[in-house]
Amino acid sequence: GAVVSQHPSRVICKSGTSVKIECRSLDFQATTMFWYRQFPKQSLMLMATSNEGSKATYEQGVEKDKFLINHASLTLSTLTVTSAHPEDSSFYICSASNAGTEDYEQYFGPGTRLTVT
Amino acid sequence: AQKITQTQPGMFVQEKEAVTLDCTYDTSDQSYGLFWYKQPSSGEMIFLIYQGSYDEQNATEGRYSLNFQKARKSANLVISASQLGDSAMYFCAMREPYSSASKIIFGSGTRLSIRP
Repeated sequence: GAVVSQHPSRVICKSGTSVKIECRSLDFQATTMFWYRQFPKQSLMLMATSNEGSKATYEQGVEKDKFLINHASLTLSTLTVTSAHPEDSSFYICSASNAGTEDYEQYFGPGTRLTVT
Repeated sequence: AQKITQTQPGMFVQEKEAVTLDCTYDTSDQSYGLFWYKQPSSGEMIFLIYQGSYDEQNATEGRYSLNFQKARKSANLVISASQLGDSAMYFCAMREPYSSASKIIFGSGTRLSIRP
């Protein structure tokens, strides 16, 4: 199956700083990538849909200016958490769809655990 | 409105027994896809099985089968001959309409624990 990587896998940052998370499709092109957030013992909540070469579509309640998403190429999307606060500590997971195919599956990255101190 | 409903927060099952995890969904689209994912404590999302809304037969993948009841809008996951390694969170999810560009929405999950 297709492989999606995320970097870093874990990050600890201080309150008020920004942190960038990368999501890469390693062996396929992904016109669309998705960013999810998962708090402990909860489900995955979709934050935004990222389309290559255009602005991301954010879900209701997700702050666009706080969670900056860039999808500059068919294999890379980045999520930047700006001015992070302890309440932003969470597990962030990206997924990607294989462009131009009948492949129904979304391929998930391994996730990034963010801790804001 | 809740799109995907999983009513079993947690389940305990004896090893080697079969287990059914419930999932109901709500959509007005005719074209949609239903998924089940397993999430162990490591956090990775493991794809288990997929059912398309137009698929007439229930999907099966090894020990996993999906009991698709379209009129009832249910898509229960059946795991046969459960193993200790099956202990994990299980999420039902839906993609509507069917498209590689459309988003997947997840249910609240069921924590499955297998007893030796």
